[in-house]
Amino acid sequence: DARVTQTPRHKVTEMGQEVTMRCQPILGHNTVFWYRQTMMQGLELLAYFRNRAPLDDSGMPKDRFSAEMPDATLATLKIQPSEPRDSAVYFCASGPKSDTQYFGPGTRLTVL
Amino acid sequence: AQSVAQPEDQVNVAEGNPLTVKCTYSVSGNPYLFWYVQYPNRGLQFLLKYITGDNLVKGSYGFEAEFNKSQTSFHLKKPSALVSDSALYFCAVRDVNTGFQKLVFGTGTRLLVSP
Repeated sequence: DARVTQTPRHKVTEMGQEVTMRCQPILGHNTVFWYRQTMMQGLELLAYFRNRAPLDDSGMPKDRFSAEMPDATLATLKIQPSEPRDSAVYFCASGPKSDTQYFGPGTRLTVL
Repeated sequence: AQSVAQPEDQVNVAEGNPLTVKCTYSVSGNPYLFWYVQYPNRGLQFLLKYITGDNLVKGSYGFEAEFNKSQTSFHLKKPSALVSDSALYFCAVRDVNTGFQKLVFGTGTRLLVSP
């Protein structure tokens, strides 16, 4: 049963520290998405890759956030420096050429 | 820009009763519509999707959704609710004309099924 995996599942850090979240998409999926979920804003799309190339990162604060896909099995989302308002659950999702997206379990980030 | 609206923050239903979770959409072009479910502390899980064809779409866990073009709606339904159906439900849309696979999600509707 193929699944999207995310690490770490939980992260507590202090303001100003760098945070790196990792995602392993389902093998063979060519699209990867990063979402952020908060009570106030709901589910927001941060970035989107197809065949490892970034297609849309308009939802991401560019000054502190960066997303990359070093290879087809790894996507990363970095926040530097982190701020308390970044506290949220970050989801990675991957998809085949069809539109269905398969979500990972999320990384719960708390920035103190 | 494409969007979906979920007018109810929460839906309460008794176990065994039919349930409906509402969704309306606004797109330019043909809509691709989706329902996802999120259980506590989990990621979203795909339930079903409408691309074209039959207006009644059947999905996972006994759920179905009815596409209504004249009312621009895509309501999620189940004939008999289970307590285990209690979760957060998201409607989503992709505008096929954009050429991207990006989904726009609604704000979510919390379904509470009481025993």
